Amino acid sequence: DTAVSQTPKYLVTQMGNDKSIKCEQNLGHDTMYWYKQDSKKFLKIMFSYNNKELIINETVPNRFSPKSPDKAHLNLHINSLELGDSAVYFCASSQGDRGGADTQYFGPGTRLTVL
Amino acid sequence: QKEVEQNSGPLSVPEGAIASLNCTYSDRGSQSFFWYRQYSGKSPELIMSIYSNGDKEDGRFTAQLNKASQYVSLLIRDSQPSDSATYLCAVRYGGYNKLIFGAGTRLAVHP
Repeated sequence: DTAVSQTPKYLVTQMGNDKSIKCEQNLGHDTMYWYKQDSKKFLKIMFSYNNKELIINETVPNRFSPKSPDKAHLNLHINSLELGDSAVYFCASSQGDRGGADTQYFGPGTRLTVL
Repeated sequence: QKEVEQNSGPLSVPEGAIASLNCTYSDRGSQSFFWYRQYSGKSPELIMSIYSNGDKEDGRFTAQLNKASQYVSLLIRDSQPSDSATYLCAVRYGGYNKLIFGAGTRLAVHP
């Protein structure tokens, strides 16, 4: 039984296209995240939602738009894809406990390749 | 700019040896520190978390934290070839569990 799942696993597309990645968690967590891991393996936070509210919004081009229809789902839509968007995108979730230990559980990742 | 620094490696150790992975961070106010393991082509998984100065042990893994020196390390005893992976150090900033990751250290354990 998958805890954090993402679809699709692989995404190959042309520059200029618009694409979406979906994420779902069945852990009952309140907080979800999107990370980008580039070719140098640097894992960087992009967005975080807590109970459908955007709480972390890093310096990301506004071509990237997250959407959380409910606290179990967090989708990422990317407009006008560019070559530099090629990376592995990880979704994660956590209970959202701000005061103490709060483990983030990662999904399997979506490898996006922009041609 | 919050930074987390790690030696990219590769760190090569023989099977059965102790592997020592190091991490430094820039923000003195940081309180929570994490080590994640990432196998090639897989997602990061949490190995250890540490919040207080000193050592924390879990099986073959020991995390060490020195807040005065802004330094956190991970020791892996009796290293096994299955420990070969990239180890990511992460530091929590702020109240919303924002994690800043280091670039990771690649560990290779050879038989």
